[in-house]
Amino acid sequence: EIVLTQSPGTLSLSPGERATLSCRASQSVSSSYLAWYQQKPGQAPRLLIYGAFSRATGISDRFSGSGSGTDFSLTISRLEPEDFAVYYCQQYGSSPPWTFGQGTKVEVK
Amino acid sequence: EVQLVQSGAEVKKPGESLRISCQGSGYNFSSYWINWVRQMPGKGLEWMGRIDPSDSYTNYRPSFEGHVTISVDKSISTAYLQWSNLKASDTAMYFCARQGTSWALAYYGMDVWGQGTTVTVSS
Repeated sequence: EIVLTQSPGTLSLSPGERATLSCRASQSVSSSYLAWYQQKPGQAPRLLIYGAFSRATGISDRFSGSGSGTDFSLTISRLEPEDFAVYYCQQYGSSPPWTFGQGTKVEVK
Repeated sequence: EVQLVQSGAEVKKPGESLRISCQGSGYNFSSYWINWVRQMPGKGLEWMGRIDPSDSYTNYRPSFEGHVTISVDKSISTAYLQWSNLKASDTAMYFCARQGTSWALAYYGMDVWGQGTTVTVSS
């Protein structure tokens, strides 16, 4: 099973600032099958990024993904009030079980 | 509109059985896996397993195998997550999410999620 480790656990930033979230895998993620999800309290997760860097339908270009192999990142270029949430990375490579990182909370400083 | 609609909140006692559902609409139900994801109170997301509606083939995370059963009725575009012997530790929110069965569609990740079903198990 591939273990995903996200850092930091919590990111305290102000609106307008840039956020960079990290996701490190215990082994290489096949074909960059790495996704990022946003979850707000009481809501289902929402797909932001798939294939490590492709934005899902309707997702703002403030969100960008990068990385390959074992190191991936999600960048939010300028934080808007609605961006404060928990973010999860997830790998869906060659075969199950799929795994999620433990999450990074982006909170208002 | 593509959507997954889950059944409502449940309150059960330990040892009881339960089946929750996830109904898809607005797309070809048989072309997408239905995944089940658990979120325990205040915790992160955990993939439990998935089912291919076209042939009912399943994969389970080892820690869930034997404790839950994933099934499907493709005639009504509905997937199920079932317990026969609930424990207090099953208290959680459960989400279903679709993912394409072909490699081309699978690349898009879990792109549509249900709203979640809260399960509370307490004596």
